[in-house]
Amino acid sequence: QKEVEQNSGPLSVPEGAIASLNCTYSDRGSQSFFWYRQYSGKSPELIMSIYSNGDKEDGRFTAQLNKASQYVSLLIRDSQPSDSATYLCAGMYSGGGADGLTFGKGTHLIIQP
Amino acid sequence: NAGVMQNPRHLVRRRGQEARLRCSPMKGHSHVYWYRQLPEEGLKFMVYLQKENIIDESGMPKERFSAEFPKEGPSILRIQQVVRGDSAAYFCASAPGTRYNEQFFGPGTRLTVL
Repeated sequence: QKEVEQNSGPLSVPEGAIASLNCTYSDRGSQSFFWYRQYSGKSPELIMSIYSNGDKEDGRFTAQLNKASQYVSLLIRDSQPSDSATYLCAGMYSGGGADGLTFGKGTHLIIQP
Repeated sequence: NAGVMQNPRHLVRRRGQEARLRCSPMKGHSHVYWYRQLPEEGLKFMVYLQKENIIDESGMPKERFSAEFPKEGPSILRIQQVVRGDSAAYFCASAPGTRYNEQFFGPGTRLTVL
């Protein structure tokens, strides 16, 4: 059974601080991981993808993957009120990219001005 | 805009009617995925299709639900004899079919069953 677990929050972070979002997964066969942002009533928007152990940075976002610990995280630096949303962690089983994604239930992030 | 397109954006059906949801993938994408998001729940994978082929339908309910992706035209998710429990947001995502296959989501169809 493939499962992705996230703390539902809400996670409240002051504007300008670093927001840290975490995710664990149960299936050691999972190869690829994705972070999506979803505003209320909208569709998920891809923020980051990560496939290898270590860190991957893109602008204010850094994704971290630790396959030994089955742990994925997303750091958002210099948090802005517009970052307030639900963040979805998703895993893909096949390294060939042939699977549907398994999503966590999401973490609700609130950036306080 | 070459993004994923879905229509209709909102669909209201009475119990027992049929619902047809359409999805046109991004240009250059050959893989289509359907997901359902129930109120207060996470996104759940339903089905994965390529042109004229269902690759994985492990997330599809066994009855009343079907999907296709014909050689020409959009992918269609069909729900027959809808019930109130089918009320949800249905999202389509497309991917290019490359190794890492990032999936990009359409705006979704909000289905309400009266």
